[in-house]
Amino acid sequence: DGGITQSPKYLFRKEGQNVTLSCEQNLNHDAMYWYRQDPGQGLRLIYYSQIVNDFQKGDIAEGYSVSREKKESFPLTVTSAQKNPTAFYLCASSIPRPGDGANVLTFGAGSRLTVL
Amino acid sequence: AQSVTQLGSHVSVSEGALVLLRCNYSSSVPPYLFWYVQYPNQGLQLLLKYTSAATLVKGINGFEAEFKKSETSFHLTKPSAHMSDAAEYFCAVSAEDQGAQKLVFGQGTRLTINP
Repeated sequence: DGGITQSPKYLFRKEGQNVTLSCEQNLNHDAMYWYRQDPGQGLRLIYYSQIVNDFQKGDIAEGYSVSREKKESFPLTVTSAQKNPTAFYLCASSIPRPGDGANVLTFGAGSRLTVL
Repeated sequence: AQSVTQLGSHVSVSEGALVLLRCNYSSSVPPYLFWYVQYPNQGLQLLLKYTSAATLVKGINGFEAEFKKSETSFHLTKPSAHMSDAAEYFCAVSAEDQGAQKLVFGQGTRLTINP
């Protein structure tokens, strides 16, 4: 079955360490996204990529970095510069239709990061 | 700019009762509106979407929502709650001339079903 695989599901990190969250999709979608979810705040966009080797900052990109070397992969690195990294991270993908706000996002199951 | 407000961060209903989750939006252009559901420790999945066709939209699992332009609302309803409906629900808004990266989510409503 096609879908999005995020790993690890749970991750613990010490302060000052960088961590990388994996996101792999086999839906053949061109666009991929990273969201951060905090209780009571909905989802906030961190980074998105509409095509391989290209990505743009979202609303809360500070302290995060991404790469898009392959169509199916969009890893997110949470750096030590992110002041409050404990959160639930969701990866999503879609078939990009520029200028089409009716795009539906397909989500992975998420990765929960806890900083100790 | 667009925004979404979900009224009530927690809603609790009895099994078999009506479910009503409220969503109001703000948009300077005709909006596209979505409801997503998130089960515990899972990603989000689409329940239904409005894209300027019929104002009453039917989704999965017996849910439906009605677009009311005069009230800038897109409330989600289900006539009879089931225990499996317990989850968090997110309303989201975008617009015709925007890509999915412009999707704005509400803060979510956690639905609890009492036996």
